[in-house]
Amino acid sequence: AQSVTQPDIHITVSEGASLELRCNYSYGATPYLFWYVQSPGQGLQLLLKYFSGDTLVQGIKGFEAEFKRSQSSFNLRKPSVHWSDAAEYFCAVGTLYASKIIFGSGTRLSIRP
Amino acid sequence: EAGVTQFPSHSVIEKGQTVTLRCDPISGHDNLYWYRRVMGKEIKFLLHFVKESKQDESGMPNNRFLAERTGGTYSTLKVQPAELEDSGVYFCASSRRGEISSYEQYFGPGTRLTVT
Repeated sequence: AQSVTQPDIHITVSEGASLELRCNYSYGATPYLFWYVQSPGQGLQLLLKYFSGDTLVQGIKGFEAEFKRSQSSFNLRKPSVHWSDAAEYFCAVGTLYASKIIFGSGTRLSIRP
Repeated sequence: EAGVTQFPSHSVIEKGQTVTLRCDPISGHDNLYWYRRVMGKEIKFLLHFVKESKQDESGMPNNRFLAERTGGTYSTLKVQPAELEDSGVYFCASSRRGEISSYEQYFGPGTRLTVT
């Protein structure tokens, strides 16, 4: 069965520091991969997506993610975080032949001033 | 374009009562999905409509949950009777039809349901 693992429940980084959020997936074929963000009081917003092609994908708000098939990973990165990046981040995989999305349990990001 | 809207934003009901959640998708989006997040766990798929037809309802927890999408526009999710374990945040999402575009799902802000 498909699954997504986000090993870090909560991460705190200093403003201006770099960020990497980890994501591993389990899926039998080439997956469709996503990162979503949920800011306080807001809905889920799609940050970026991978369907095929270049394994390094760029998203909104300065985020990027790299698909590594050999490691079954799709880690999210940002070179310099801003206080407004404090939110909960969800990695997700799309299931082939059924357009439902399977989410990880989320990583809460706090920013230290 | 207007985003996905959900009503109400919060609902507090007692065990055994009935609650109906509403979702208005983005205009022109044939796909409509319901997801929920319970107790800070992962967000889980409930069901998927294509227009007014249920395409996949494999995630519906039991027959206390009834989803409808009359006319292929807005959708309702009714919980009757509500139980304590139904508490959580219910998200609605919509997308266009298509092999790739169906995965580009736009989410609403969610309805926080508390059953006491």
